[in-house]
Amino acid sequence: DIQMTQSPSTLSASVGDRVTITCRASQTINNWLAWYQQKPGRAPNLLIYKASTLESGVPSRFSGSGFGTEFTLTISSLQPDDFATYYCLQYESDSSEAFGGGTRVEI
Amino acid sequence: QVQMQESGPGLVKPSGTLSLTCTVYGDSITSSKWWSWIRQPPGKGLEWIGDIYHSGGTNNNPSLKRRVTMSVDKSKNEFSLKLTSVTAADTAIYFCARRIFYDGTTYYHPFDSWGQGTLVTVSS
Repeated sequence: DIQMTQSPSTLSASVGDRVTITCRASQTINNWLAWYQQKPGRAPNLLIYKASTLESGVPSRFSGSGFGTEFTLTISSLQPDDFATYYCLQYESDSSEAFGGGTRVEI
Repeated sequence: QVQMQESGPGLVKPSGTLSLTCTVYGDSITSSKWWSWIRQPPGKGLEWIGDIYHSGGTNNNPSLKRRVTMSVDKSKNEFSLKLTSVTAADTAIYFCARRIFYDGTTYYHPFDSWGQGTLVTVSS
C-alpha cells in the first residue's frame, strides 16, 4: 500500500511569495501524481497531472515537478485567490492513502 | 461540460447503511471512465473509497472494501454507493468523481471532475 506524505501541513505566506509544497511517496509512482486545490465548501479542483502537466485553464504561476518518490508543487507568485488547501494524489495504484494529508496555505 | 450531483440521506443511524447516488450530466455512464467515490471528514483530508466501471468492475480502498458496494444504473446514467455498518467515523462529505479509464495511451488518470459533495452524518 503506497503512502503519501505531504509537507508542510500549514504554510503561512504573503501575496507575491514563492511557495513550495512537497509530496513524498513510500515507493515509486513514476510520474503518476496530481495536485488539487480545495477551497472551503468546494470540491477539489485539478491543477496538475502527470507530475508536471498543467490542467487546461490553470494559471501558469502553478508548476509541478518530480519523478519516482519526490514531488513538488510551486506557486511562483502567490495571489489572493491561491489561499486554499492543496492535496497531492498518487494514481499509480489503488491505495488506502492515495491522497496526501493536505497543505493549508494561509496568510 | 460534465456535471455530477450526489443525493441521499444526510443522516444515518450507527450500524446502519449509508446509501448515496451520483447522477451524471453531460457524459455517458457507459463511456470509458471510472466512476468514483471520495470522502472527507469535516475539517480533515480526502479519502478515496472506490471506483466502478459501467461493466460492473470495481477498484476498492482496501481499508473499506468489506463494507462497500457500488453499482451502476445505465438507464438513469447514475451510479451508487452503499457503505454498511457505519459509525461516527464515517461522518463525512461524500464526493462522486470520475477519471478516464483509458485514453489510447495510458490507464493512469486522476479525478478530473467532481460533484459538489454531500454531508452525511452518522448519529442516533
